[in-house]
Amino acid sequence: DTEVTQTPKHLVMGMTNKKSLKCEQHMGHRAMYWYKQKAKKPPELMFVYSYEKLSINESVPSRFSPECPNSSLLNLHLHALQPEDSALYLCASSQDFRTARGEQYFGPGTRLTVT
Amino acid sequence: QKEVEQNSGPLSVPEGAIASLNCTYSDRGSQSFFWYRQYSGKSPELIMSIYSNGDKEDGRFTAQLNKASQYVSLLIRDSQPSDSATYLCAASGGGADGLTFGKGTHLIIQP
Repeated sequence: DTEVTQTPKHLVMGMTNKKSLKCEQHMGHRAMYWYKQKAKKPPELMFVYSYEKLSINESVPSRFSPECPNSSLLNLHLHALQPEDSALYLCASSQDFRTARGEQYFGPGTRLTVT
Repeated sequence: QKEVEQNSGPLSVPEGAIASLNCTYSDRGSQSFFWYRQYSGKSPELIMSIYSNGDKEDGRFTAQLNKASQYVSLLIRDSQPSDSATYLCAASGGGADGLTFGKGTHLIIQP
């Protein structure tokens, strides 16, 4: 069983909607990540939260907004998305980066469809 | 630009044989290397990590790293039909660095 959980599993939203994806990890990890994966493509990094510092992939549009309420929770707020944003959104976590080698563990993902 | 290259396949291997998957990376600053298995419609599952030159074995899986050649490989012994999946090679600078993935190799184990 994965120790990274994501909700919802599936989400269908219109281009004018606002929704949020949620991720929680139960491993005491201190870094969390959002990735986007299109069909038959590898995951692409969107955001990294590590010790309350956010790192952003500069190619990610502003209609995606991450939020980290605490070290075990990570949200991704969605607003005014486009149909091309339809993808599998993956959350991952890794241990304290000061001591570990960066093994990342993925949650089951949220399948997002934008209509 | 960090890049990880893999042959997309499909790679077809008879059941019980050894499957050999390869990957190269461009960034010499990469410190950590990973193999993930991904079944269709599912999320990536970490199966091997390797940080030092040489071999690392875990059950039927052996990862190999050659930093001079910027080359990573994964061997799967006694291949089973359940090993049929896409295998993603990934590299990172370590710590909280994001992963750079290759495009993945689609492995088919033929019964």
